[in-house]
Formats: sequence, C-alpha cells, structure tokens
Amino acid sequence: EPEVTQTPSHQVTQMGQEVILRCVPISNHLYFYWYRQILGQKVEFLVSFYNNEISEKSEIFDDQFSVERPDGSNFTLKIRSTKLEDSAMYFCASSGTNSAGGEGYTFGSGTRLTVV
Amino acid sequence: KQEVTQIPAALSVPEGENLVLNCSFTDSAIYNLQWFRQDPGKGLTSLLLIQSSQREQTSGRLNASLDKSSGRSTLYIAASQPGDSATYLCAVMGSGTYKYIFGTGTRLKVLA
Repeated sequence: EPEVTQTPSHQVTQMGQEVILRCVPISNHLYFYWYRQILGQKVEFLVSFYNNEISEKSEIFDDQFSVERPDGSNFTLKIRSTKLEDSAMYFCASSGTNSAGGEGYTFGSGTRLTVV
Repeated sequence: KQEVTQIPAALSVPEGENLVLNCSFTDSAIYNLQWFRQDPGKGLTSLLLIQSSQREQTSGRLNASLDKSSGRSTLYIAASQPGDSATYLCAVMGSGTYKYIFGTGTRLKVLA
C-alpha cells in the first residue's frame, strides 16, 4: 500500500536554529499538508499546499514557517529560529488524485522535533 | 468554528468486549469524517472514512456511523483484542475546506 514517508523520525535542535522536515507524499497525490501534535494535545492543522502554493494556513503557521515542494517528490517544512514551544510531533499528509479531501488523507509516521 | 469532542477520554475493557467510541462535532456542514488510530509515539493510521452523504462504513471488526444532523459519529469495535489498544482519533473535514479538525481522542486499553 502506498505510504507517506517522513525523515528524520527524530530531530533534536538548539533553540534559534533552523530545521527542515522532509516528506515524500504518495506519488499521484496532488494535495499536501503539515500538522503538528504537541505532547498530550490535539493534532493541529498547520498548512495545506496545492499546485505549488499554500491553499490554506492556520494561525500557528506564521512567518517562522515555510513550505516548499522543491522537486516532483519532496515536500518540506522549514522552521526558522526554532523556539522551545515548537517541540512537537510533525505529521505530513497527502490526499487527492482528483479532489482534495474526498478520499481522506494518508499520514506519514511523523518527525518528533525536540528543541533544547 | 468547528469543535470536535470525543467521549470517553479513556476506556479500559476486558478482551472480547464490544465497545463504542463517540465523536461529536458542532458544525454539521461537513465534507467527510475520518477515524484514525494512533499508537504511542507513532503516526496516524486511517481506519475508516465516511463521506457526508453516507451513514456508515465497515472494515472488518470496525463499523463507523455518521449522523450529520445531530453532529455525531460512533466507532464500534467488535470482539476487542489487546492489539486494539491505542488512541482513536476522530477528524472532521468541513465543507469548503480541506483541513481536518481533530478531537482529543479516546485512549483504549484492552486487557488480556
């Protein structure tokens, strides 16, 4: 069964450093997403991406965050100048061969980011 | 603003029991609803997807129902097994958006 692949599985970074989280969505999917889950809290939407641009973003997704699809397979989330409160599990998801959400999402296994 | 609530927050049952997990949402204008399973420290595994026009979906021992007008969905697990122990998350996609709003989850423990 097709999978969404995320790397690395764990990342520890110093406060103030930049991190890039990587995702390889399912190859024929058209819509891509990032979510995060702070320990013990709900899974929260960050951003959706379609046709090489952001289609929707949450209040959490401020100027510190950016997304990019640098080639035909990867989808990245960059966090500039990380803060302690950015520590969370970050999930990538993809959907939609024809429509964005009609087929539901497939999530990756997540990247656990720890900011120290 | 859509809010999703799951009850109970935690549940512990002996093996073999049939059980029901509940999800409620405040805005009935939804596109679909998806149930996920999350093992500790792991990713989200899709269990069932119900479109807004559907009333239920089944996969093996799992059955999910949707009552859009009352803002409710239930996940029924038949003949529970220790391997079913996990957190179950309900996520709702609203009309006109392609993002999911998640509930806080039900943490299930099935005792052998």
